[in-house]
Amino acid sequence: SSELTQDPAVSVALGQTVRITCQGDSLRRYYATWYQQKPGQAPVLVIYGENNRPSGIPDRFSGSSSGNTASLTINGAQAEDEADYYCNSRDSSINWVFGGGTKLTVL
Amino acid sequence: QLQLQESGPGLVKPSETLSLTCTVSGGSISNSNYYWAWVRQPPGKGLEWTGSIYYSGSTYYYNPSLKSRVTISVDTSKNQFSLKLSSVTAADTAVYYCARLNTGNNCFDPWGQGTLVTVSS
Repeated sequence: SSELTQDPAVSVALGQTVRITCQGDSLRRYYATWYQQKPGQAPVLVIYGENNRPSGIPDRFSGSSSGNTASLTINGAQAEDEADYYCNSRDSSINWVFGGGTKLTVL
Repeated sequence: QLQLQESGPGLVKPSETLSLTCTVSGGSISNSNYYWAWVRQPPGKGLEWTGSIYYSGSTYYYNPSLKSRVTISVDTSKNQFSLKLSSVTAADTAVYYCARLNTGNNCFDPWGQGTLVTVSS
């Protein structure tokens, strides 16, 4: 099955822009979906499709894709954005796969 | 607002079967636009898709790495779906989440709060 690869950890200064990436062959066919997970909480959907945000997700979150790489960008990171971020996509028409997650630290 | 809630034993003995139920409230599980899914997360580790089922129960997909041990079923009369994982080992210790799967938008949303299942004698 296909895999999705993420950097284990990324840091960003408060108010700066950070990009979290996700690589995998399946991303050439399917958009990545992005989830935010804070300690002790369930994941929350933040980006889906080409670049869509569910209601309630701040517009500083955006998504993009190129080739086998998908990116989640946070413009003007806030302290409350510190969390684990997971990418996800289909790896075939019936199976689903998650990346290993990226721990974002806001300095 | 759709809500999902997992329930079931928090402790299961090795070699036995783990059984969890997800109760859907605030909407009907019998919605042709969605599948219903289980995702698990071992302590300190990442997310792993376990499997998904259509509301009718006629179509279901399992993670190939778990396929021989997993069964997911749906009970529309109770607005619930369930997970059974047989022959468990310590490696199956995890927080188990249920979620709605939108196959049109390819996203899991919303999620239940999760329930920790520990496999230990």
